[in-house]
Amino acid sequence: GENVEQHPSTLSVQEGDSAVIKCTYSDSASNYFPWYKQELGKRPQLIIDIRSNVGEKKDQRIAVTLNKTAKHFSLHITETQPEDSAVYFCAASYSGGGADGLTFGKGTHLIIQP
Amino acid sequence: DGGITQSPKYLFRKEGQNVTLSCEQNLNHDAMYWYRQDPGQGLRLIYYSQIVNDFQKGDIAEGYSVSREKKESFPLTVTSAQKNPTAFYLCASSVTGGMQFFGPGTRLTVL
Repeated sequence: GENVEQHPSTLSVQEGDSAVIKCTYSDSASNYFPWYKQELGKRPQLIIDIRSNVGEKKDQRIAVTLNKTAKHFSLHITETQPEDSAVYFCAASYSGGGADGLTFGKGTHLIIQP
Repeated sequence: DGGITQSPKYLFRKEGQNVTLSCEQNLNHDAMYWYRQDPGQGLRLIYYSQIVNDFQKGDIAEGYSVSREKKESFPLTVTSAQKNPTAFYLCASSVTGGMQFFGPGTRLTVL
């Protein structure tokens, strides 16, 4: 089955700086890669996703890049703000939008220092 | 997200009891999923269903059971065979091939 590794487990950045979270996956058949943000005690919320036919996708301050050859994808947050503090999860699926379910990384706790 | 509801929010179970967690959605989504989240961990897939009256085991299905008799509903039963059931349980739904959206979760504690 699929295995997703996520690094770092904790990331502390100064407000206004950029943050980068990296994930690798094991199954070359995976073709859908969403990112979720989870605040303490709350449900995960989808913030951006990318499919394997695209190398990069951007939505305002958030971008995701995908390197299929290296089986690696990353989340980039620019101009970080206090409300960006949360746990971020990457995930992978080999069935389009995840119809067979998602395999998640273990999460990155992003801390924005004022 | 607002179209997916889970109940109860908190649930306490005694050893040897079966308990059922409710998940309902009014988004007309075909697919529904159950995940388990342990502290400091990612989500792990328990069961999923892509269509009414059909469901598939995920990565950690042992000790759990589900049913999908209606499109809107996908209840999860945590049986006494699940040896370590204390966790945060999250239900999700999606259109086929679309993005998954999560319900608010049920926090289950074994006493």
